Amino acid sequence: QVQLVQSGAEVKKPGASVKVSCKASEYTFTGYYLHWVRQAPGQGLEWMGWINPNGGGTNYAQKFQGRVTMTRDTSINTAYMELSRLKSDDTAVYYCSRDPYSAFPLTFYGMDVWGQGTTVTVSS
Amino acid sequence: SYELTQPPSVSVSPGQTARIPCSGDAFPKQYGYWYQQKPGQAPVLVIYKDSERLSGIPERFSGSSSGTTVTLTVSGVQAEDEADYYCQSADSSGTVVFGGGTKLTVL
Repeated sequence: QVQLVQSGAEVKKPGASVKVSCKASEYTFTGYYLHWVRQAPGQGLEWMGWINPNGGGTNYAQKFQGRVTMTRDTSINTAYMELSRLKSDDTAVYYCSRDPYSAFPLTFYGMDVWGQGTTVTVSS
Repeated sequence: SYELTQPPSVSVSPGQTARIPCSGDAFPKQYGYWYQQKPGQAPVLVIYKDSERLSGIPERFSGSSSGTTVTLTVSGVQAEDEADYYCQSADSSGTVVFGGGTKLTVL
C-alpha cells in the first residue's frame, strides 16, 4: 500500500549532523510534495520545510534556514533531510509526509500519508 | 510569518459535540487543515481545504470556516476520539504553519 518508510533512530552529539531518509512506495514519487515535520518530547508539531521531488525545489522554515538541507533521489524514490550543528533541543521525532498539490497557484491538499517517525536524540 | 491559535484543551462528555477553533490572519485567504494525533502515533489528516473530509474518516468529523477562524467539529464524541488535534495552513509561497495543538478529553 502507499507508505513512507523512514530510517532508524539516531543518537548524536551536539555539533554533529544527522541525515534521515524517507522512502516512498506504491505511488508516483514526483507527484507529491514531501514535508518534514518534527515533534519534540511533549510538544506540538513543527514544520521544517518541504521538497518538491519533481525538480528538487525546496522551501525551508525560517528557523532552520542555514542548518537544514532537503534532497531527493528519484531513482530510488527516497527523500532526505539533513540537519547540521545539532543542539540538545533538536531532540525530537522527525516525520516525513506527502502532500498532493496544485501548482499554479501553489495549493496544498493536506499531508495525507506520514512516515512512522525517526527519533533523533542529541546528547553529550 | 504568521501564527495559528488553538485552545490548549477541550473537554466533553461522550455523545456531546466538541468544537475546536483555530484562528489566524491566514484565514480565510488560505485553507485550513486538521490532523488527529494519538499518543505514540503519527498524525492523521482528518479535514482538508477547510471542510473536506478525507476518505475513511467518520462522518462525525466536520470542518468549517468563518472569517479568520476555522473550526473542527466532532459530533457525538466517542472515547476513541480522545487525542491531540492540530490545525495547519500554508501561505501563497507554500510556507506551512501548525497551530499549537488542542488536547480533546472525553470525560
